Amino acid sequence: AQSVTQLGSHVSVSEGALVLLRCNYSSSVPPYLFWYVQYPNQGLQLLLKYTSAATLVKGINGFEAEFKKSETSFHLTKPSAHMSDAAEYFCAVSLTGTASKLTFGTGTRLQVTL
Amino acid sequence: DAMVIQNPRYQVTQFGKPVTLSCSQTLNHNVMYWYQQKSSQAPKLLFHYYDKDFNNEADTPDNFQSRRPNTSFCFLDIRSPGLGDAAMYLCATSAGRDPKYNEQFFGPGTRLTVL
Repeated sequence: AQSVTQLGSHVSVSEGALVLLRCNYSSSVPPYLFWYVQYPNQGLQLLLKYTSAATLVKGINGFEAEFKKSETSFHLTKPSAHMSDAAEYFCAVSLTGTASKLTFGTGTRLQVTL
Repeated sequence: DAMVIQNPRYQVTQFGKPVTLSCSQTLNHNVMYWYQQKSSQAPKLLFHYYDKDFNNEADTPDNFQSRRPNTSFCFLDIRSPGLGDAAMYLCATSAGRDPKYNEQFFGPGTRLTVL
């Protein structure tokens, strides 16, 4: 079975600082990996996904993530945080071939301070 | 704008009183999903429909049922809600099931309170 672990349930950064949200996965086969963002009182929105093409994936709102097989990681980064980035971020994994099922991590709440 | 709509946004029910949550979509997607998200936890897939084909997750309690009368609508029925069923319920849709090609689009969720 596949799973993801998100280290740090809460992360606080200053506006303009680097954002780093950590995600490690466990999978017996090459996975698909996703980052979703959830703003207050809204549904989840896809930020970016890794599907076995380029290991560095660029997403919306200036976010990117790098797939590192040796570290079983898929950390989310953004060079400069903006106040509007404050939200809950979820990492998710899906196995190739199982099609429909996304398994989510427990989420990281990002706080951006002035 | 094409979207996923969930009604109501907030639902309060009594212990043991059946409740139905509604999801509709204007995306004309084949697949519709229901997730349960408890406070500070990950969204957990309950079941999904691929067109009219119902796919239940092995650990979804029998207390949870779903109906999809047509492409646009999908309902989540909780037959006898317990206190442990209080959660945010998220509906999502996708054109197909392969996540490599098919993004899941989520509705805003329905927050269920059980008294």
